[in-house]
Amino acid sequence: KQEVTQIPAALSVPEGENLVLNCSFTDSAIYNLQWFRQDPGKGLTSLLLIQSSQREQTSGRLNASLDKSSGRSTLYIAASQPGDSATYLCAGDTGGGNKLTFGTGTQLKVEL
Amino acid sequence: GAGVSQSPSNKVTEKGKDVELRCDPISGHTALYWYRQSLGQGLEFLIYFQGNSAPDKSGLPSDRFSAERTGGSVSTLTIQRTQQEDSAVYLCASSSTLTSEAFFGQGTRLTVV
Repeated sequence: KQEVTQIPAALSVPEGENLVLNCSFTDSAIYNLQWFRQDPGKGLTSLLLIQSSQREQTSGRLNASLDKSSGRSTLYIAASQPGDSATYLCAGDTGGGNKLTFGTGTQLKVEL
Repeated sequence: GAGVSQSPSNKVTEKGKDVELRCDPISGHTALYWYRQSLGQGLEFLIYFQGNSAPDKSGLPSDRFSAERTGGSVSTLTIQRTQQEDSAVYLCASSSTLTSEAFFGQGTRLTVV
């Protein structure tokens, strides 16, 4: 059974800091990997998708990478802002039409 | 609509009643997921539909839970004889086979009193 761990579980940083969120899968055969953010009381918003043929994706201040040999992904957030405060979730599938398995989430707070 | 739509957004029901939650996926998306999120908890997988394949029901917590997807589009999650522990936000997502990017609805907050 695929299990996904996200480290750290919670993080508080001052505005402007660069930070890294980590995600690891017990089954390293990840096909597609996706990072989401969830604001309190809201649904999930897709941030980045790393497809099977890719190793990283960038969108604005966000960069996600995937090491398929180890089953680990990182989300890098540059120059953090208070508006980045949210819970960040990673999710992956093992291809073949299999379901997405979610990580436990990292709760981020960016303080002024 | 442009996104995944869920209804109702909020539902309060009495213990023992049946409830139906609806999900309208993005048009053309073949995959549809239901997840549950209890207060302060992570996402709990419930059921996954992919095209015409048999659904993956491995996450349904009891036989009081069932889901169907009619015509490969709209899905309904039914909870029979609701219990207080069923109180949670129920989230639906859909994705296409082309990109595999999953998009979520805003969820249905279910409260069993």
